[in-house]
Amino acid sequence: DGGITQSPKYLFRKEGQNVTLSCEQNLNHDAMYWYRQDPGQGLRLIYYSQIVNDFQKGDIAEGYSVSREKKESFPLTVTSAQKNPTAFYLCASSISSIRLPTGPTDTQYFGPGTRLTVL
Amino acid sequence: AQKITQTQPGMFVQEKEAVTLDCTYDTSDQSYGLFWYKQPSSGEMIFLIYQGSYDEQNATEGRYSLNFQKARKSANLVISASQLGDSAMYFCAMRGPGMTGNQFYFGTGTSLTVIP
Repeated sequence: DGGITQSPKYLFRKEGQNVTLSCEQNLNHDAMYWYRQDPGQGLRLIYYSQIVNDFQKGDIAEGYSVSREKKESFPLTVTSAQKNPTAFYLCASSISSIRLPTGPTDTQYFGPGTRLTVL
Repeated sequence: AQKITQTQPGMFVQEKEAVTLDCTYDTSDQSYGLFWYKQPSSGEMIFLIYQGSYDEQNATEGRYSLNFQKARKSANLVISASQLGDSAMYFCAMRGPGMTGNQFYFGTGTSLTVIP
């Protein structure tokens, strides 16, 4: 089955430690995204990538880093510079389109999320 | 700049009744797509329904329909015959063309509670 996987589901981190969240997709999508969600809040974009070896900062990139060495993978590192990293992190992917709209396949597909807690 | 507004932080509906969740958007683009997602307490985001800016008919998917009023820039989600399993957060989103064609813009969400 095609889809997006995120691991781990729950992650605990000590203050001052870097931690990497995994995101893998087998949908053959060019575009991938990372969002942060705080309790009762909406999604905030951290980083997105439209193609391998390229990525752009979103609205709240400070304290985070990403890489896109493979089409299937878009890992997110939460660095010690992120002062309040406790949150729910969602990874997503989509087809890359320069001609919109085309249809329901323009949607983002989401992974199950990772809940990060800083101890 | 693109923007999505959901003005209802929380909504309640009686089981088997219909409910409308509001969404307005702001864009100067002519080509865009509108989406609704459901997020249960488990956290997963579930795609519900899509409306393209050039679609003349309102989208429908089972019990979900989208009331698309382009001139008013609104894309309200209508859920008919509400079920207890519909209790969740609902997010409206827009995807635009051009250089930002791969970026999505989300509203702040509406929490729906279905009452037995």
